[in-house]
Amino acid sequence: QSALTQPASVSGSPGQSITISCTGTSSDVGAYNYVSWYQQHPGKAPILMVYGVSDRPSGVSNRFSGSKSGNTASLTISGLQPEDEADYYCSSQTTSSTVVFGGGTKLTVL
Amino acid sequence: QVQVVQSGAEVKKPGASVKVSCKASGYAFNSYGISWVRQAPGQGLEWVGWSNPYNGNTRYAQKLQGRVTLTTDTSTSTAYVELRSLTSDDTAVYYCARDIGSAAFDQWGQGTLVTVSS
Repeated sequence: QSALTQPASVSGSPGQSITISCTGTSSDVGAYNYVSWYQQHPGKAPILMVYGVSDRPSGVSNRFSGSKSGNTASLTISGLQPEDEADYYCSSQTTSSTVVFGGGTKLTVL
Repeated sequence: QVQVVQSGAEVKKPGASVKVSCKASGYAFNSYGISWVRQAPGQGLEWVGWSNPYNGNTRYAQKLQGRVTLTTDTSTSTAYVELRSLTSDDTAVYYCARDIGSAAFDQWGQGTLVTVSS
């Protein structure tokens, strides 16, 4: 199972919006609405930010939103804040009942 | 509140085995799966496998099949990952996480560093 494809890095200024893409195949992202997004700060455990393509866990800011079209999912962060600077990972369930992660995207807040 | 606490760091020699524990509290342990994810130094996240405490069912990443075993002990609300025939490629932080379904992991342990070195 190959990793999902994410851009290595994205950047934006405070207050701006950015979008991170996550491209898979019809055997993972395109198969189900089971895409999640995680935020990870250096040396810390990941935090679930979005699940089920577009649902947010309790406590996660509504500045974070998810969507999907075909085999590509996206995470949009609006109103960028300095504390949003982190690594972001997407994941998806596969048709083999396993889970595959993306390679990760480093977000820099300029 | 929900907590997931893992065992401490391990140093192992190539060819050895390691077993990492993950103790859950604050929720009904049998009601959620436990997934394991590892992260090699400076690298991304890699799914290791999933176990269901309710019935013991498991699923494993294909590349680790045959070397990894996931178990759970419902009497102590503890999950375990055992990895055998270790190589330097297995050096990583191993995380356990509560699986809320739809391949989403909402509560993560603090991570356990496993170092494989001669």
